[in-house]
Amino acid sequence: QVQLQESGPGLVKPSETLSLTCTVSAGSIRSSSTYYWGWLRQPPGKGLEWIGSIYYTGNINYNPSLKSRVTISVDTSKNQFSLKLSSVTAADTAVYYCARRTHGSERGWFDPWGQGTLVTVSS
Amino acid sequence: EIVMTQSPATLSVSPGERATLSCRASQSVSSNLAWYQQKPGQAPRLLIYGAYNRVTGIPARFSGSGSGTEFTLTISSLQSEDFAVYYCQQYNNWPPWTFGQGTKVEIK
Repeated sequence: QVQLQESGPGLVKPSETLSLTCTVSAGSIRSSSTYYWGWLRQPPGKGLEWIGSIYYTGNINYNPSLKSRVTISVDTSKNQFSLKLSSVTAADTAVYYCARRTHGSERGWFDPWGQGTLVTVSS
Repeated sequence: EIVMTQSPATLSVSPGERATLSCRASQSVSSNLAWYQQKPGQAPRLLIYGAYNRVTGIPARFSGSGSGTEFTLTISSLQSEDFAVYYCQQYNNWPPWTFGQGTKVEIK
């Protein structure tokens, strides 16, 4: 059963770049044509926001609201994908999740999810 | 962008009772809707996809219905482990994939 695990700094200074990595285990990022690999976030006490998703070939979807600040990349040799969010502010403080998204006609749910990692933006 | 609106924000229910949660889309999403359960300190867990298809291992007391713009998640007889926040998510029009703001099911 595929598992995902986020890693990265828990504290980022305002105006700097947030960087996180998601490691996929018990399965290959390249193993299927039906999955994208994505990032979502949840500010404390609030709802879920999709940030972006990447296919193992490098095809990417970004949330238009964050597109100017987000970069998602994939490293198939390490079975990892990564998130960079630039020019962060306190509004970017959130639990960041990585998750697998099904892809195809009438498909698009997220399952499974990583456990999440809290990133706080503060000086 | 499709806006998903869930109601109520909080639902107070006694154990053993039925809970009915609603999710409305700002435009039709056909049956391309999923439901998730999130407990404190945990990641969301997929319960239902395609509006009514239960994920393997999800108890039968969870059921989904609806299509177009109106959807319902019903928990037929609430167990103690069901008290959590529930989110709906549409995957019909993207990007972005969007979620509702959540319904908290609490013990009455």
